[in-house]
Amino acid sequence: DAGVIQSPRHEVTEMGQEVTLRCKPISGHDYLFWYRQTMMRGLELLIYFNNNVPIDDSGMPEDRFSAKMPNASFSTLKIQPSEPRDSAVYFCASRRQGDGNQPQHFGDGTRLSIL
Amino acid sequence: AQKVTQAQTEISVVEKEDVTLDCVYETRDTTYYLFWYKQPPSGELVFLIRRNSFDEQNEISGRYSWNFQKSTSSFNFTITASQVVDSAVYFCAVRRQGAQKLVFGQGTRLTINP
Repeated sequence: DAGVIQSPRHEVTEMGQEVTLRCKPISGHDYLFWYRQTMMRGLELLIYFNNNVPIDDSGMPEDRFSAKMPNASFSTLKIQPSEPRDSAVYFCASRRQGDGNQPQHFGDGTRLSIL
Repeated sequence: AQKVTQAQTEISVVEKEDVTLDCVYETRDTTYYLFWYKQPPSGELVFLIRRNSFDEQNEISGRYSWNFQKSTSSFNFTITASQVVDSAVYFCAVRRQGAQKLVFGQGTRLTINP
């Protein structure tokens, strides 16, 4: 089975530009998560969806960040306008609903650099 | 609030040595789930194992073993006869029942030298 697929793997752009990160979860998974990983703060949960509905976006740092999940097989995380402090690795993960110990499966991440 | 402490920031050993990565968690919940993930130099996060709070059986998978002790709130990970390919950052995480948020430790960077 295919894992979580993220694109692009790397993104380098200038501050002020719009950045869109993409994620395709594992088929059949009901939950989708967006995380950010930095040296200073480690892995932080930004937002998660259940059955395409955003449930908790309390981790989204500011209004410049937005996430959508238009269908069960696609989600985007958008930053507009981007700033150098947004540079990080962004991970998407998905999980099957069911007994509580179902693990989250992560994509390979998008390494974002804002110049 | 939940918290995971991985006190070992970095560990470096010579190949074939055994190594144990420590994980101590804090939670007020009676039911929770524990996980270990591996992040190799290529950057992806790979799920290794999960454990329910009510299942204190230790587990062995090849060279890997996990020791869950509820009495000390620890979920330690041991690699036997380490190999260079084991070099990675290892994360321990906890999630309480009914919640979706995984709380990660800061990770332990393990380097296996040939």
